[in-house]
Amino acid sequence: DARVTQTPRDKVTEMGQEVTMRCQPILGHNTVFWYRQTMMQGLELLAYFRNRAPLDDSGMPKDRFSAEMPDATLATLKIQPSEPRDSAVYFCASGLARTGPNEKLFFGSGTQLSVL
Amino acid sequence: RKEVEQDPGPFNVPEGATVAFNCTYSNSASQSFFWYRQDCRKEPKLLMSVYSSGNEDGRFTAQLNRASQYISLLIRDSKLSDSATYLCVVNSGGYQKVTFGTGTKLQVIP
Repeated sequence: DARVTQTPRDKVTEMGQEVTMRCQPILGHNTVFWYRQTMMQGLELLAYFRNRAPLDDSGMPKDRFSAEMPDATLATLKIQPSEPRDSAVYFCASGLARTGPNEKLFFGSGTQLSVL
Repeated sequence: RKEVEQDPGPFNVPEGATVAFNCTYSNSASQSFFWYRQDCRKEPKLLMSVYSSGNEDGRFTAQLNRASQYISLLIRDSKLSDSATYLCVVNSGGYQKVTFGTGTKLQVIP
């Protein structure tokens, strides 16, 4: 089965450290999403790429977060410096956007981030 | 007002019962709608798309009401394995920005 691969599964770090999360979208998919999930806020969209171009990162704190797609097989989400309030599960999802709007997303298993 | 709103629940129902969830959305220009299921400590997975005419997939029925801006999910003959959080998803942007509701938790009780 094709699947979205995320690494690492778990990350525990200290406040102030850099955190990098990686995602390999499903081969052939042209859209990549980064979501953050907490109990209080649910799934929040952080960034959205289409054909590797960033289309929307309005949900992402720009001062510390950055998202990139260096190539079609890799998306990264970096937090520098990390803070305790960044503790959450971070999901990557990919999809295939054609001309219509019916885009189905496939999620990776997430990165559980704990910032102490 | 949030773009997509759901009753968080939990909905506690006995096995075999029928249960329904609603989800409202604020953007009248939204074009596509989905239900996802998320098990505890797992990633969300697509359950079904929601079509304008309504659609069924086994025990699950999804409906869309554009006039009132809500979608619904009906589960018949609930199984213990249906226990999960059900996420309403709306395509809310011209470039396919996909927005998730915070989810409705369902617990099916023996």
